[in-house]
Amino acid sequence: TQLLEQSPQFLSIQEGENLTVYCNSSSVFSSLQWYRQEPGEGPVLLVTVVTGGEVKKLKRLTFQFGDARKDSSLHITAAQPGDTGLYLCAASHNYGQNFVFGPGTRLSVLP
Amino acid sequence: KAGVTQTPRYLIKTRGQQVTLSCSPISGHRSVSWYQQTPGQGLQFLFEYFSETQRNKGNFPGRFSGRQFSNSRSEMNVSTLELGDSALYLCASSPYGGVYNEQFFGPGTRLTVL
Repeated sequence: TQLLEQSPQFLSIQEGENLTVYCNSSSVFSSLQWYRQEPGEGPVLLVTVVTGGEVKKLKRLTFQFGDARKDSSLHITAAQPGDTGLYLCAASHNYGQNFVFGPGTRLSVLP
Repeated sequence: KAGVTQTPRYLIKTRGQQVTLSCSPISGHRSVSWYQQTPGQGLQFLFEYFSETQRNKGNFPGRFSGRQFSNSRSEMNVSTLELGDSALYLCASSPYGGVYNEQFFGPGTRLTVL
């Protein structure tokens, strides 16, 4: 059973466009992480959010944790080809242990 | 600091064999977690070791086992391999766990079972 849902599953956009991907669950989580994974590599951590309503920015990436800590979004402004990859969210019920991963959003940014 | 290293990077085995995968965490990191990644099931948690003790375990059969040594290096063993065990096996290290448990992943071992 998939505890975390991510949408969309696939996204193909042109360079310079903005996009938002989502991570949703019916469960409340103590912490949530976003990763980006490129082919042939392991996931790379982008951000960890722990407080409901928390917003974090990493250059052109904006991450938000829902008020109820059941969902999160990742917004990318002016996407670049280097943003291409599989975006994974991962959430923990017990404070940083037993992370559950979502199925991912595969993003392709075309030049 | 050197990143997480995993050996071997690629492995081909046949059904019924067993396999051992190795993971060297980032220096100073005491927690090592193992994950299986497949196209159908995504990334699934196998187990976590912290200071040589298994601290958490995912929902995998007993054919999957692991251990951690005093230098924090970890090995994962899969016995009696099945075709469905073909996957990318990833290990991740983190300094001590906790709510900001920042996991750093290795490049993975691609296991193919024929």
